[in-house]
Amino acid sequence: DGGITQSPKYLFRKEGQNVTLSCEQNLNHDAMYWYRQDPGQGLRLIYYSQIVNDFQKGDIAEGYSVSREKKESFPLTVTSAQKNPTAFYLCASSPGTGGETQYFGPGTRLLVL
Amino acid sequence: SQQGEEDPQALSIQEGENATMNCSYKTSINNLQWYRQNSGRGLVHLILIRSNEREKHSGRLRVTLDTSKKSSSLLITASRAADTASYFCATDAGGNKLVFGAGTILRVKS
Repeated sequence: DGGITQSPKYLFRKEGQNVTLSCEQNLNHDAMYWYRQDPGQGLRLIYYSQIVNDFQKGDIAEGYSVSREKKESFPLTVTSAQKNPTAFYLCASSPGTGGETQYFGPGTRLLVL
Repeated sequence: SQQGEEDPQALSIQEGENATMNCSYKTSINNLQWYRQNSGRGLVHLILIRSNEREKHSGRLRVTLDTSKKSSSLLITASRAADTASYFCATDAGGNKLVFGAGTILRVKS
């Protein structure tokens, strides 16, 4: 059963805490992406990776960090430097580089306690 | 930065009617894509139209692209309650990424 999985579905963060969102794909896709979606708004790109061990900042990278040690995995860490982290986070992948069709995971909703 | 802007922001129609959503963008593109998002879920790809294409069909979906006006439209014919969702356009303007618009919320009443 191929696809993209994200976990957890809901995540709660305390003040000053770093939290990590998981994204795994078994589609053998080279490129992976992280987006942030605020209520009633579109998607904003946080980070993207076109190949293992390489990634680029998107439009709103401040307060976030990523790693790409394996082709299948692209975890996102929301650091304490991100002052307004409450949002819906979406991970996506695409077969290659460029603006190809992207395949999305089910999302993680991050809430601040 | 949001390149695409959808219009209208929200649309409410009766089941069986057609729904039309528009997307305008600012720079030259390689392709334009439409996605659907059900509430609280991930996005699902609907259709991709390349810059050298003017119209494309997929089932009840019809997409047009006018590069001279930098605009696209998505038509859903014979709408169903299950079509209720948010619809986003996304543009590939180079740079190995897509830029998404703010979306149109479609509500189909049964």
